[in-house]
Amino acid sequence: NAGVTQTPKFRVLKTGQSMTLLCAQDMNHEYMYWYRQDPGMGLRLIHYSVGEGTTAKGEVPDGYNVSRLKKQNFLLGLESAAPSQTSVYFCASSSFTSGGTDTQYFGPGTRLTVL
Amino acid sequence: GENVEQHPSTLSVQEGDSAVIKCTYSDSASNYFPWYKQELGKRPQLIIDIRSNVGEKKDQRIAVTLNKTAKHFSLHITETQPEDSAVYFCAASRGGGSNYKLTFGKGTLLTVNP
Repeated sequence: NAGVTQTPKFRVLKTGQSMTLLCAQDMNHEYMYWYRQDPGMGLRLIHYSVGEGTTAKGEVPDGYNVSRLKKQNFLLGLESAAPSQTSVYFCASSSFTSGGTDTQYFGPGTRLTVL
Repeated sequence: GENVEQHPSTLSVQEGDSAVIKCTYSDSASNYFPWYKQELGKRPQLIIDIRSNVGEKKDQRIAVTLNKTAKHFSLHITETQPEDSAVYFCAASRGGGSNYKLTFGKGTLLTVNP
């Protein structure tokens, strides 16, 4: 099993450009998440999904859109990139257990720079 | 929504000493508290977690304690080693129902000096 994978690993954009980050998991997890990580700010939730075809806003959703057309994939889109979106983006996935939230498994991250 | 405060932001110890990182949370309905370790340039990985029906949990040199009344939980690392150097994040979640989100603290950079 590859676990959680992210594409691409690095990307440089100019202000106003658009791009899509792809997250894939092969663990048959129901839940998937997108976080951004900035120095001194921890991990902040952008959007998440509790199942195929569903998405919900997290703590910092502005400027981002997401889609979950297939259970194994979760896409994060930037329609018009801004320098404030320079960050490391992590995808994560988890399964449902009778006890509630289960371990979140993270992807390797995508380092995005917006000039 | 949930708010998680983590202290200290940086911690430096000598090899063999103990390290303690503390977190407080605001939502009394939170019932799941994981700790993640992130080495430089790597992804966060779960090292230990605790649920609200348990007061303490140990795994070799790592332990987590939870005080629900005071709404705080702590990570204890004993006999620290240089490979324990990393950023540690605490998190909290209500779990169950329709709320599957983790709220993370801002992290603690632990440095273990040989």
